[in-house]
Amino acid sequence: GAVVSQHPSRVICKSGTSVKIECRSLDFQATTMFWYRQFPKKSLMLMATSNEGSKATYEQGVEKDKFLINHASLTLSTLTVTSAHPEDSSFYICSARDLKGSSQETQYFGPGTRLLVL
Amino acid sequence: KQEVTQIPAALSVPEGENLVLNCSFTDSAIYNLQWFRQDPGKGLTSLLLIQSSQREQTSGRLNASLDKSSGRSTLYIAASQPGDSATYLCAVPGTNAGKSTFGDGTTLTVKP
Repeated sequence: GAVVSQHPSRVICKSGTSVKIECRSLDFQATTMFWYRQFPKKSLMLMATSNEGSKATYEQGVEKDKFLINHASLTLSTLTVTSAHPEDSSFYICSARDLKGSSQETQYFGPGTRLLVL
Repeated sequence: KQEVTQIPAALSVPEGENLVLNCSFTDSAIYNLQWFRQDPGKGLTSLLLIQSSQREQTSGRLNASLDKSSGRSTLYIAASQPGDSATYLCAVPGTNAGKSTFGDGTTLTVKP
């Protein structure tokens, strides 16, 4: 099946620094990728939809200046948490929609990145 | 707006039991429904994907059913094992953008 990777898998940073998380579709092209956030013992909440070559679409309540998304190619989307604070600590998961599988709306999920801001 | 509910929130069973996890959704206009497993501190493992035209999918000891008209899906786990202990999430993609709405999950504990 299709594979989506994320890097890094875990990151610890100091408050005030910025952290970049990469999401890659390894064996398929994805015009659309999605970024989710998961709080402890809660389900995944969609943060934004990342569209290749255009601006991301953010869900209500998500600060676009705080969570910068860039989708520069059909296989890579990045999420940058700017000026991170302890409340940004969370598990971030991306997913990618297979271009060829658009009729089935199949999403493939990455393994997640755990961010801890001290 | 799609809402996904999973019942029960937690379940504890002795090893060997068959069990059913429930997922309900409010908007029946779905492309598919996906069941995931998540171990503590880990990412998602896709278990089963049911297309909207299908009624069920099977993989090993797992069987997922889908009833679009009633907005329900069930995940049946046969002969449960301690290794099945995890949180099980169901997710429904949106109708046009593909973005998924997740349920809060059912945390399963299978006791030896």
